[in-house]
Amino acid sequence: GIQVEQSPPDLILQEGANSTLRCNFSDSVNNLQWFHQNPWGQLINLFYIPSGTKQNGRLSATTVATERYSLLYISSSQTTDSGVYFCAVEIMEYGNKLVFGAGTILRVKS
Amino acid sequence: KAGVTQTPRYLIKTRGQQVTLSCSPISGHRSVSWYQQTPGQGLQFLFEYFSETQRNKGNFPGRFSGRQFSNSRSEMNVSTLELGDSALYLCASSLAGTDGHGYTFGSGTRLTVV
Repeated sequence: GIQVEQSPPDLILQEGANSTLRCNFSDSVNNLQWFHQNPWGQLINLFYIPSGTKQNGRLSATTVATERYSLLYISSSQTTDSGVYFCAVEIMEYGNKLVFGAGTILRVKS
Repeated sequence: KAGVTQTPRYLIKTRGQQVTLSCSPISGHRSVSWYQQTPGQGLQFLFEYFSETQRNKGNFPGRFSGRQFSNSRSEMNVSTLELGDSALYLCASSLAGTDGHGYTFGSGTRLTVV
């Protein structure tokens, strides 16, 4: 099956710093999403981005589908950005499902 | 619009018991899928329902089952609970990939088996 790899696994930043999280996937996918898991466990949708670039405030994401990777940029990080970031790719065969990467644990220090 | 609602939020069960979790999707979403999250295995797909039909199932034993009702609400059931079933169970709803917004997740049900 498809493999989804995220890097780095852990990241510690000082407040105000910028960061780039990467997601590589092993096969063509229907779409890709980035999620932030809050301390209570809910997955918050950040971007639905099968290709191209999108921006939402201090966050932006780029997916290059032909090269099978996606990047999530966090600028001017804040302590509230802490948590786990997941990328997930959608597979459409016999229905739909998401395959998740292992996540990046981000800790932003004040 | 209301989000995805999962009940209960927390649950403690004893080995051998069974449990039923509920998920109400966003109004108009006909696809509901379930995921299990554990520290060791990460987020894993359980199954997906669309218009009351199970379309896809992950690699889980038959003790894990589910169903979807005509109003798109879904339930999942785990019978003969084992300690290893302790996990966060997340439900997601979508328009089956046609709306450009992907999947929306509920807050999850945290199941502890003792």
